[in-house]
Amino acid sequence: EVVMTQSALSQPVILGQSASISCRSSQSLVYSDGNTYLNWFQQRPGQSPRRLIYKVSNRDSGVPDRFSGSGSGADFTLKISRVEAEDVGVYYCMQGTYWPPTFGQGTKVEIK
Amino acid sequence: QVQLVESGGGVVQPGRSLRLSCAASGFTFSSYGMHWVRQAPDKGLESVAVISFDGANAYYRDSVKGRFTISRDTSRDTLYLQMNSLRVEDTAMYYCVKEDGGHSQFDYWGRGTLVTVSS
Repeated sequence: EVVMTQSALSQPVILGQSASISCRSSQSLVYSDGNTYLNWFQQRPGQSPRRLIYKVSNRDSGVPDRFSGSGSGADFTLKISRVEAEDVGVYYCMQGTYWPPTFGQGTKVEIK
Repeated sequence: QVQLVESGGGVVQPGRSLRLSCAASGFTFSSYGMHWVRQAPDKGLESVAVISFDGANAYYRDSVKGRFTISRDTSRDTLYLQMNSLRVEDTAMYYCVKEDGGHSQFDYWGRGTLVTVSS
């Protein structure tokens, strides 16, 4: 099973400032078709997860452009620019390249 | 719009069974792979099982193999998870999740149904 490791369990941030969340996989997530199946999810308190980013850097419909994903191979980052109060929650990276799909342990973004 | 509505959760004793259902609407159910993902209280997310769009293939995480069965009924646009020989460690919120284009590209999640295994 591929292990996904997020660098921090908690990320306090000042409103209007940026936050970056790192995620590393135990092996490269590049599939034989050339795609890298790395996603980012947001889970607000009391809600289901919501996908923000798919295949490393593609934003889902309706996701503010303050959210951006980057990275390659086994090293990935989610950046939230100009953090707003509604961004509070837990963020998970997830790989879908290998079965079973596996998630990072989550990073809690909270307002400082 | 896409809707996934889970049901069937509850409190059950260890060793007993439970069947979860997920009613899907707003998309062509028979065209997409579907997953069950669970989240233990105050814990992270864990994929449980997947079934292909046509029901021909199903895969399970090791800890539920032989105990859980995923299935689908395209005439009812409904996904199921039959859970047998339940263990305390199966206690979790169970989410029904739609896949978009393979490789566990989870694009829509239900609100979940809570399963509590306790004596």
